[in-house]
Amino acid sequence: GQNIDQPTEMTATEGAIVQINCTYQTSGFNGLFWYQQHAGEAPTFLSYNVLDGLEEKGRFSSFLSRSKGYSYLLLKELQMKDSASYLCAVVDSNYQLIWGAGTKLIIKP
Amino acid sequence: GAVVSQHPSRVICKSGTSVKIECRSLDFQATTMFWYRQFPKQSLMLMATSNEGSKATYEQGVEKDKFLINHASLTLSTLTVTSAHPEDSSFYICSARDRGEDHQPQHFGDGTRLSIL
Repeated sequence: GQNIDQPTEMTATEGAIVQINCTYQTSGFNGLFWYQQHAGEAPTFLSYNVLDGLEEKGRFSSFLSRSKGYSYLLLKELQMKDSASYLCAVVDSNYQLIWGAGTKLIIKP
Repeated sequence: GAVVSQHPSRVICKSGTSVKIECRSLDFQATTMFWYRQFPKQSLMLMATSNEGSKATYEQGVEKDKFLINHASLTLSTLTVTSAHPEDSSFYICSARDRGEDHQPQHFGDGTRLSIL
């Protein structure tokens, strides 16, 4: 079966750095997305990785290792507004999105 | 960037009512749109994939006669929840992908919060 694993919840301090991990086992791989979802709102796109390595975009970076079936989202200089759920999603061989359950990130002052 | 408009944003109605939700891609053509449902504190659950000009593909466990999907044009898909009951209360979200861009991110509408009394 297809499976995406990410921690259910994480807590971090304002101004700090946090890394949210995602491991996956899917039938084929055509890319991995990270989305941010604030409570009561629809998800918004953060990043897309299809090749191994680190993609940096401002305070957010995303890393992919295809051989390990592993990705992480790195958030730097955390702000209170970063409190949200972070969803990992993998595009499988049929170009369907397989979603993780999301990681709820709580930022404390 | 690409914009997806979803309407209405919130619906409160009596049990037995049918509710239609619209999803429009505003500045791109979407041959495929996706309908998700999300219960509180849970992740997105794909209900169906809506294909322009053909029948929608429903996920296992989703009743096609209860959740009617119509994708009549490259910019509009509708989801009708027929004879809605309290257990259908949920957050419904549509998304669309730009035509021919399988590796592009799905762009999400703002969602519809459905409350059945």
